[in-house]
Amino acid sequence: QKEVEQDPGPLSVPEGAIVSLNCTYSNSAFQYFMWYRQYSRKGPELLMYTYSSGNKEDGRFTAQVDKSSKYISLFIRDSQPSDSATYLCAMISVEDDKIIFGKGTRLHILP
Amino acid sequence: DAGVTQSPTHLIKTRGQHVTLRCSPISGHKSVSWYQQVLGQGPQFIFQYYEKEERGRGNFPDRFSARQFPNYSSELNVNALLLGDSALYLCASSLAGGNSGANVLTFGAGSRLTVL
Repeated sequence: QKEVEQDPGPLSVPEGAIVSLNCTYSNSAFQYFMWYRQYSRKGPELLMYTYSSGNKEDGRFTAQVDKSSKYISLFIRDSQPSDSATYLCAMISVEDDKIIFGKGTRLHILP
Repeated sequence: DAGVTQSPTHLIKTRGQHVTLRCSPISGHKSVSWYQQVLGQGPQFIFQYYEKEERGRGNFPDRFSARQFPNYSSELNVNALLLGDSALYLCASSLAGGNSGANVLTFGAGSRLTVL
């Protein structure tokens, strides 16, 4: 079992829909959780950074962490074609301070 | 304000050759990290340098090496290239060493290496 599991997609949704992206993990030492967005031919760009269980909101984006289930989510409200990208979840272990990325989910927002 | 800059953006090498990739961090950032991203996968940690000292190393063979210069720029070197080294090599800079807490990584656009 990989440390971080993320469905690679692709996920296609119509413009304006709510998008839900998810990752599961197995290592209880993961305590910091991040979501990155990566456009084609670009480097990853940090979207959300959370430490504890619960929700964190920033504009149209909401990050949710459930440590008891080892499950994290990113919700995108009122999705736009410009949101079409690959979304990577990432986690930091407090044991070795290394970042582990998921494979990324390719998202297409259809106009 | 310039972000993280990497060069070259694209390069093609043949098996057995050597490659050097370069990275300039954001002004004021003292830490540089290198990641390898194979097509369809997430980035994998290779090295982190802070104040010219190696702070961490991922699970990569000794063919991979790096260094950080007094101006905080960095080089990643890969010797004896293999087909499997074909990937996007990402550099990220941050204010301090380590990854936890508020020490956020900012990534460059990467250097795409193709090994034939």
